[in-house]
Amino acid sequence: EPEVTQTPSHQVTQMGQEVILRCVPISNHLYFYWYRQILGQKVEFLVSFYNNEISEKSEIFDDQFSVERPDGSNFTLKIRSTKLEDSAMYFCASRGAPSTDTQYFGPGTRLTVL
Amino acid sequence: AQSVAQPEDQVNVAEGNPLTVKCTYSVSGNPYLFWYVQYPNRGLQFLLKYITGDNLVKGSYGFEAEFNKSQTSFHLKKPSALVSDSALYFCAVRDGRNSGGYQKVTFGTGTKLQVIP
Repeated sequence: EPEVTQTPSHQVTQMGQEVILRCVPISNHLYFYWYRQILGQKVEFLVSFYNNEISEKSEIFDDQFSVERPDGSNFTLKIRSTKLEDSAMYFCASRGAPSTDTQYFGPGTRLTVL
Repeated sequence: AQSVAQPEDQVNVAEGNPLTVKCTYSVSGNPYLFWYVQYPNRGLQFLLKYITGDNLVKGSYGFEAEFNKSQTSFHLKKPSALVSDSALYFCAVRDGRNSGGYQKVTFGTGTKLQVIP
């Protein structure tokens, strides 16, 4: 069964450093999402991406964040200058055609900012 | 704005007993409702969804959920709990009026299910 994959599984970085989290959505899916989950808290929407542009973003997704689909398979989330409060589990999700409603999630990348 | 409430942080149930994990929602348009499960150190796995039709929805691993419009609830149920069902369960909603590529899903805070052998 096709699944969303994410790399790395765990990323440790120093405050102020740039990180890039990578996702490979399910092949032939068209809509892509990033969510995050701070330890012990609920899953929060960050951004949705369709047709090579951001469709919607939350207030969390400020200028320090960016997303890109550099090729036909990868979907990346970049944090330019990480802060301690960026420490969280980041989930990528993808969805197929407009008529489908279910977002399928990857296993997540745990980001630890020191 | 849309929101989800999961009133129980944790639910304990004995193996073999029926389980219920509660969820209520608030949304302006028609609710699209989802349940996801998260095992330790794993991502979110889709369990089931309600979009339209029969109020009782059946999903993976023997789980089902009942949509109740008047009570704005979408409780997750299973007739006989297994120890392997122990995990974190998230209810989620999106506004069915949103079309196209958006579909922001709002999650509840999660309920930890502990099935006791």
